[in-house]
Amino acid sequence: ELKVEQNPLFLSMQEGKNYTIYCNYSTTSDRLYWYRQDPGKSLESLFVLLSNGAVKQEGRLMASLDTKARLSTLHITAAVHDLSATYFCAVENWYSGAGSYQLTFGKGTKLSVIP
Amino acid sequence: DGGITQSPKYLFRKEGQNVTLSCEQNLNHDAMYWYRQDPGQGLRLIYYSQIVNDFQKGDIAEGYSVSREKKESFPLTVTSAQKNPTAFYLCASSILYGAYNEQFFGPGTRLTVL
Repeated sequence: ELKVEQNPLFLSMQEGKNYTIYCNYSTTSDRLYWYRQDPGKSLESLFVLLSNGAVKQEGRLMASLDTKARLSTLHITAAVHDLSATYFCAVENWYSGAGSYQLTFGKGTKLSVIP
Repeated sequence: DGGITQSPKYLFRKEGQNVTLSCEQNLNHDAMYWYRQDPGQGLRLIYYSQIVNDFQKGDIAEGYSVSREKKESFPLTVTSAQKNPTAFYLCASSILYGAYNEQFFGPGTRLTVL
């Protein structure tokens, strides 16, 4: 059974600071997704990482994937208040019994950026 | 505009009632999914469907039922057998067997049991 662990689960940081969110997973996968969720809202896709060494950047967020270490990171640079949200990683895996790909989500990291 | 719609946004259920949550997509996606989200938790898969008239149970299907009579629609019924249905329900869709299978999410339905 695929397990996906995010840490930290809660992160309070000051504006202007840098920090990294970690996503570890337990079985081999080449595809990993990062989503953002604002309070009471749906999930918004941030990054799609499809291979070992993949790096994607959008504004102050940068995501990377190390499939050998089964680790993805979401790095926040010079945080601003607008980045306050919950961030989820999701690992895609093939389930042979079901004959389909499925996503397994981490529990999410709730980020609060304090002025 | 292509996307996924869910209705209603808020739903209140009395004990013993069945309620149905609507999910419609115009993205021409083959696969559709229902997830449940509890406070402070990740998403847990309830049911998914890859083609019309076919669907499979996810990790927490007990107390729920679905149908897939049209490609665009995947309604979820929360039955009285679901003992703790208060949660945020998210519908998603994706292509099937593409280079990758990114899931796109609807706005969600918040269900509360009175």
